[in-house]
Amino acid sequence: DAGVTQSPTHLIKTRGQHVTLRCSPISGHKSVSWYQQVLGQGPQFIFQYYEKEERGRGNFPDRFSARQFPNYSSELNVNALLLGDSALYLCASSLFLWSTNEKLFFGSGTQLSVL
Amino acid sequence: TQLLEQSPQFLSIQEGENLTVYCNSSSVFSSLQWYRQEPGEGPVLLVTVVTGGEVKKLKRLTFQFGDARKDSSLHITAAQPGDTGLYLCAGVTAGGEYGNKLVFGAGTILRVKS
Repeated sequence: DAGVTQSPTHLIKTRGQHVTLRCSPISGHKSVSWYQQVLGQGPQFIFQYYEKEERGRGNFPDRFSARQFPNYSSELNVNALLLGDSALYLCASSLFLWSTNEKLFFGSGTQLSVL
Repeated sequence: TQLLEQSPQFLSIQEGENLTVYCNSSSVFSSLQWYRQEPGEGPVLLVTVVTGGEVKKLKRLTFQFGDARKDSSLHITAAQPGDTGLYLCAGVTAGGEYGNKLVFGAGTILRVKS
């Protein structure tokens, strides 16, 4: 079975542009979470979606938005890109609204570089 | 704001040596997880510790959760080159109807030389 898949794997944008990152969860998983990992730091929580509804938001500006589709795939959108948005963006999926009773599965991430 | 501090930031050792990585916080977490991340990959869960004072063993890896559930340690016995990677601790914050989320430390980069 395929794991969590993210696209694209790498992306280069310039300041002020907009970017859309995509995530397909493991088949049957209904929850998707997004994390940002800046070089040299641990991942930081951005959003969690479950059954197409936002169920959690981290401390990120409104330039960051996301949505989840009926097939449970998800998109993360970032507007007005800043240099500081350069990071590895990780998507994670779980069967249900995530709790430690189940394992959280991470994708390999999208490496975004903002020039 | 809940923060997790990991130490050391970087560790380079010879094959066969033992090592310990520490994870400390001023906050109490409902549980704590340890992940390993390799270059170009996402983190992979190693263990979840839930009860204060809990000790879990996974082959050569021993994980301990502090009595007050604010700190944890990872001890590796007889390290091997395959143990090389980024080790992340993550505190679990319970969100009720909003689900749980992870608060990660900055990680410890481990390099085991043969």
